[in-house]
Amino acid sequence: DGGITQSPKYLFRKEGQNVTLSCEQNLNHDAMYWYRQDPGQGLRLIYYSQIVNDFQKGDIAEGYSVSREKKESFPLTVTSAQKNPTAFYLCASSEDRGQSYEQYFGPGTRLTVT
Amino acid sequence: GQSLEQPSEVTAVEGAIVQINCTYQTSGFYGLSWYQQHDGGAPTFLSYNGLDGLEETGRFSSFLSRSDSYGYLLLQELQMKDSASYFCAVRDVQNQGGKLIFGQGTELSVKP
Repeated sequence: DGGITQSPKYLFRKEGQNVTLSCEQNLNHDAMYWYRQDPGQGLRLIYYSQIVNDFQKGDIAEGYSVSREKKESFPLTVTSAQKNPTAFYLCASSEDRGQSYEQYFGPGTRLTVT
Repeated sequence: GQSLEQPSEVTAVEGAIVQINCTYQTSGFYGLSWYQQHDGGAPTFLSYNGLDGLEETGRFSSFLSRSDSYGYLLLQELQMKDSASYFCAVRDVQNQGGKLIFGQGTELSVKP
């Protein structure tokens, strides 16, 4: 079955620690995205990548970093510089980076930092 | 900039019809999409309107009026499982990378 996997589903960290969230897709999609969702809020774009070895900042990139070394993988690191990291993180991909209006989402990782 | 507005919550009863509106402000326009998200789950794509008019997919329909910068999602024969958040989204015209801008979401509660 094709899809997007994110792991782990729940993650707990102490303040001051960096943490990396995994995102893998086997849909052969070019573009991948990371969103943050806070309770009762919409999706805010953190980073996106249109092709391997290339990525751009979204609307709320401060305190986050990404890499795109392989087409199928787009890990997100939440650094200690992110002031309010507790949130629900969603990874998505789309087929055609130029034309696609449909994004496929993973199940999400709920990060709690105390 | 680009922004979308939709009601924060809507309540309806099983079997009824409900309409969720979305108005947008964009410097250009490449179509309006709708996504459904159940509590704690992943958003899933429902529909897309690139041109004016109504698109129907089973119990769900979506409408677009580009002249009014307005669209809506229509859910018919409501079922309890339709209780979820619904997001409208537009493509970001500043970048051709498929980047979407999402509304804040409308939480739909379906009552028995």
